[in-house]
Amino acid sequence: AQSVTQPDIHITVSEGASLELRCNYSYGATPYLFWYVQSPGQGLQLLLKYFSGDTLVQGIKGFEAEFKRSQSSFNLRKPSVHWSDAAEYFCAVGESGSARQLTFGSGTQLTVLP
Amino acid sequence: EAGVTQFPSHSVIEKGQTVTLRCDPISGHDNLYWYRRVMGKEIKFLLHFVKESKQDESGMPNNRFLAERTGGTYSTLKVQPAELEDSGVYFCASSKQGAKIFGNTEAFFGQGTRLTVV
Repeated sequence: AQSVTQPDIHITVSEGASLELRCNYSYGATPYLFWYVQSPGQGLQLLLKYFSGDTLVQGIKGFEAEFKRSQSSFNLRKPSVHWSDAAEYFCAVGESGSARQLTFGSGTQLTVLP
Repeated sequence: EAGVTQFPSHSVIEKGQTVTLRCDPISGHDNLYWYRRVMGKEIKFLLHFVKESKQDESGMPNNRFLAERTGGTYSTLKVQPAELEDSGVYFCASSKQGAKIFGNTEAFFGQGTRLTVV
């Protein structure tokens, strides 16, 4: 069965600092990988996704993620965090080539200090 | 284009009562999904509709949960009778038609319904 681990429950960074949120997955085949963000009072918004090809994926809001098959990781990064990035971030894996559901990690809450 | 809309945004009910959550997907989206996040844990899949048919309901926790999607438009998720452990945030998502749903098509999520059972 597929699974996703986000080892950091809560991360605090200062505005302007760099950010990396960790995500490790367990999946037997080629995974479809996603990062979602939920801001207060908002729905889950897709930041970026990886299906195949270039392992460095660019997303919205200046985020990027790198797929590393050897480490089973798909970490999310941003070079300079803005106060508006404070939110909860979810990593998810989907089954490729099938209309199946997503498996989510438990989320990482990001706090941004002024 | 309107996004996925969920009603109500919050609901507080007593144990043993019935609650019905509603999800209006994006117009034209055949696929509709329900997910749940309990007690700050991971978001878990409940079920998947393709139009009005249940494609996969393997994530439904028990028979106290009933999901419908009459006419293939909006969907309801009824919990009857509600128990304390049903508290959490219920998310709905929709996506366009297509077998490779997460291959080529993004799933759009609603803001969720926060259910509190006391």
